[in-house]
Amino acid sequence: DAGITQSPRHKVTETGTPVTLRCHQTENHRYMYWYRQDPGHGLRLIHYSYGVKDTDKGEVSDGYSVSRSKTEDFLLTLESATSSQTSVYFCAISGGQGPGEQYFGPGTRLTVT
Amino acid sequence: DAKTTQPTSMDCAEGRAANLPCNHSTISGNEYVYWYRQIHSQGPQYIIHGLKNNETNEMASLIITEDRKSSTLILPHATLRDTAVYYCIVRVANTGNQFYFGTGTSLTVIP
Repeated sequence: DAGITQSPRHKVTETGTPVTLRCHQTENHRYMYWYRQDPGHGLRLIHYSYGVKDTDKGEVSDGYSVSRSKTEDFLLTLESATSSQTSVYFCAISGGQGPGEQYFGPGTRLTVT
Repeated sequence: DAKTTQPTSMDCAEGRAANLPCNHSTISGNEYVYWYRQIHSQGPQYIIHGLKNNETNEMASLIITEDRKSSTLILPHATLRDTAVYYCIVRVANTGNQFYFGTGTSLTVIP
């Protein structure tokens, strides 16, 4: 399995509070991604990074920001959490070689009350 | 924006081959076919990918038709731990692009 960890694995927070989720990789892969998964919507891309300090928006980026100051870490921040951001969040990495299969972390279950 | 069509659900007897079909009739020449699976509450797991030729690895085989409009994922000897949702995805080989997972096929392996 690819060396990807996510923290925290579970979090309950209140509406309006800031939340930061962390994705850490030990594979030295160039690309990192944040997805969210909700019933009836499958996985949707929030943001991705193609290098240190290089990020871009995905399909559902509103309300989220990201940062990548080191190759191994990709942070997802909810500046002011809302109930609609209750979801399971997955981080993924890709090495940039070949056709670019992505490897996923174990997920973070976030509940906003 | 899924470009694939898969059956919603399938059953397979334990120990038998599981054959999961996928239709991707609008696939472009530079798009690969990828298969992932997701076991309940876990992150998606990469299984296999292919462009034109059939592929095999330790997990599965991928059979792509000559016109590339459909493919089949084969799990040769299904076990109970293969019960999962299986996703067929077509995508240009550009690692900046996201994977559109669609709804997949829910495979249940029956004892």
